[in-house]
Amino acid sequence: GAGVSQSPSNKVTEKGKDVELRCDPISGHTALYWYRQSLGQGLEFLIYFQGNSAPDKSGLPSDRFSAERTGGSVSTLTIQRTQQEDSAVYLCASSSTSGSIVEQYFGPGTRLTVT
Amino acid sequence: AQSVAQPEDQVNVAEGNPLTVKCTYSVSGNPYLFWYVQYPNRGLQFLLKYITGDNLVKGSYGFEAEFNKSQTSFHLKKPSALVSDSALYFCAVRDDGAGRRALTFGSGTRLQVQP
Repeated sequence: GAGVSQSPSNKVTEKGKDVELRCDPISGHTALYWYRQSLGQGLEFLIYFQGNSAPDKSGLPSDRFSAERTGGSVSTLTIQRTQQEDSAVYLCASSSTSGSIVEQYFGPGTRLTVT
Repeated sequence: AQSVAQPEDQVNVAEGNPLTVKCTYSVSGNPYLFWYVQYPNRGLQFLLKYITGDNLVKGSYGFEAEFNKSQTSFHLKKPSALVSDSALYFCAVRDDGAGRRALTFGSGTRLQVQP
């Protein structure tokens, strides 16, 4: 079946502009995660959605970052007033449930470059 | 709080030789441990996980990992390396408590297998 998809694959934007990144999780997966991978760094947790529960936003680096998940499926990560330090690869992952310990399936990522 | 350390930025090994990629962790409860691999320009792929049970866990592509509670380690191993194993490897941990459900990742270790 189809895996996690993300769009766009690459995004170049000017400093100060807003950007939206999209994630389509695997069908039926109730848990969705956003991570950020900066050059030479590991993955940094941003936000986590589980079903209809309130999202865990504890990893968002500033109030310029927000995310929503509509209908328990597609998710959009929005970065307002982008800064050069926001340049990174943004990875989305989904899993069937977080109640049991299951692996997360990752999308290919969106490479964001802020000029 | 949970954390993961991958002490080696890069590991070099000759094809056919055994390989080890090191990982140590810190959690307040019992750990759930994962290894992921990232090939160039691709998302992370799940390799294996430790939840409970046997300390030696076998995963994809001939990889295995050994959980050592006393040393708080979860090193990734393979008896005979292939050139195609060259990639970026991430160790990740989650606490079994009621805290964050997302994974905490290490900074990654680049494995280079020379022919």
